[in-house]
Amino acid sequence: GAVVSQHPSRVICKSGTSVKIECRSLDFQATTMFWYRQFPKKSLMLMATSNEGSKATYEQGVEKDKFLINHASLTLSTLTVTSAHPEDSSFYICSANRGLAGPANEQFFGPGTRLTVL
Amino acid sequence: QKEVEQDPGPLSVPEGAIVSLNCTYSNSAFQYFMWYRQYSRKGPELLMYTYSSGNKEDGRFTAQVDKSSKYISLFIRDSQPSDSATYLCAMSKGGSGGSNYKLTFGKGTLLTVNP
Repeated sequence: GAVVSQHPSRVICKSGTSVKIECRSLDFQATTMFWYRQFPKKSLMLMATSNEGSKATYEQGVEKDKFLINHASLTLSTLTVTSAHPEDSSFYICSANRGLAGPANEQFFGPGTRLTVL
Repeated sequence: QKEVEQDPGPLSVPEGAIVSLNCTYSNSAFQYFMWYRQYSRKGPELLMYTYSSGNKEDGRFTAQVDKSSKYISLFIRDSQPSDSATYLCAMSKGGSGGSNYKLTFGKGTLLTVNP
């Protein structure tokens, strides 16, 4: 149980285009989802917290107009990188929390999406 | 001082060794403590989850939390080459809803178990 998927696993795009990454909780309802960014050999950097049906809460320094997050259902959150540039190239990982259905604060991570912007 | 400190290693041990991984933290509000394992180019996998102080054992893994010292540990017994990965400690303050579930991560320790 507690499986989180991400799609696509890898994407290469041209500078200036927008890329959408999907995060799905496959066997549970996720009241809260999180989006992280990870640079090579570095730890995870939290970008935003996403609650179903409400606006995402962005961490300081993260541009909300550049990284659009939508959490339309209890099993799906999307991250759209708008007008991508090479410096946006990174490993993006989502996680999901089961809320009251499981131990508090227990987060399950997706396999990640590697974005390369040419 | 960073909220969570973790020695990034790298740590290299022979197969069968007991591995000890540690994190210290400064925020006494943290109540939930987790250890994740991350293989290269993969998402983190939850290994151990502990609430407050105490020990928790699961197979070859033992997690310890000492809130008085703000110190947590993960022990791996009979280490195997397949344990080679980056181990991340993470913690959160608790409470219900959204941002209360936020995790604060250590930098991660790169472990290599040599056959």
